Amino acid sequence: GAGVSQSPSNKVTEKGKDVELRCDPISGHTALYWYRQSLGQGLEFLIYFQGNSAPDKSGLPSDRFSAERTGGSVSTLTIQRTQQEDSAVYLCASSFLRSGGTGELFFGEGSRLTVL
Amino acid sequence: KQEVTQIPAALSVPEGENLVLNCSFTDSAIYNLQWFRQDPGKGLTSLLLIQSSQREQTSGRLNASLDKSSGRSTLYIAASQPGDSATYLCGSLGNTPLVFGKGTRLSVIA
Repeated sequence: GAGVSQSPSNKVTEKGKDVELRCDPISGHTALYWYRQSLGQGLEFLIYFQGNSAPDKSGLPSDRFSAERTGGSVSTLTIQRTQQEDSAVYLCASSFLRSGGTGELFFGEGSRLTVL
Repeated sequence: KQEVTQIPAALSVPEGENLVLNCSFTDSAIYNLQWFRQDPGKGLTSLLLIQSSQREQTSGRLNASLDKSSGRSTLYIAASQPGDSATYLCGSLGNTPLVFGKGTRLSVIA
């Protein structure tokens, strides 16, 4: 697509429920990132996919969080047994890998998660 | 571990003024540095990307510079306009995925 697409744009759920957030990166981009932005806070790195390499999961805050990327394209971030502190905007970004490092990152509009 | 700091946290200027936003990072072994703007309730929009081998990039009224040795980058906005009001974030990419500062919230008053 023309840009990074995320869905849903807004999600309200009850504490303890599971949620799935989806990211469609820019076509041809090899790298995909998930970040979280809590109210008044900076961007917190969650997970990074690059091609067929094992993902960098070092930013996932707990084992309730997981993500997968199917066919090197679409990614799903899953949060199990949601807690109120999971409420945040979840941002996805993609980039095209160039020699020596990644290229320019492009972000989606984010998925706003509210856990009641 | 890379740490990115942005100063000031907030800035209010009258329309037409030139201004500079600052970004500092602790690990100079970066691949690139990227500046973004974020409008309320929106995602991040890329403004400028500076590769580690470059010293500056320009786009319209925006000019970003990079000094790896001192761990600093600046974003210069010329002739500011009310439409420039947003939060500006810098992110550094090194051996770890992009690490962001907390941003500078800019208000340009008409």
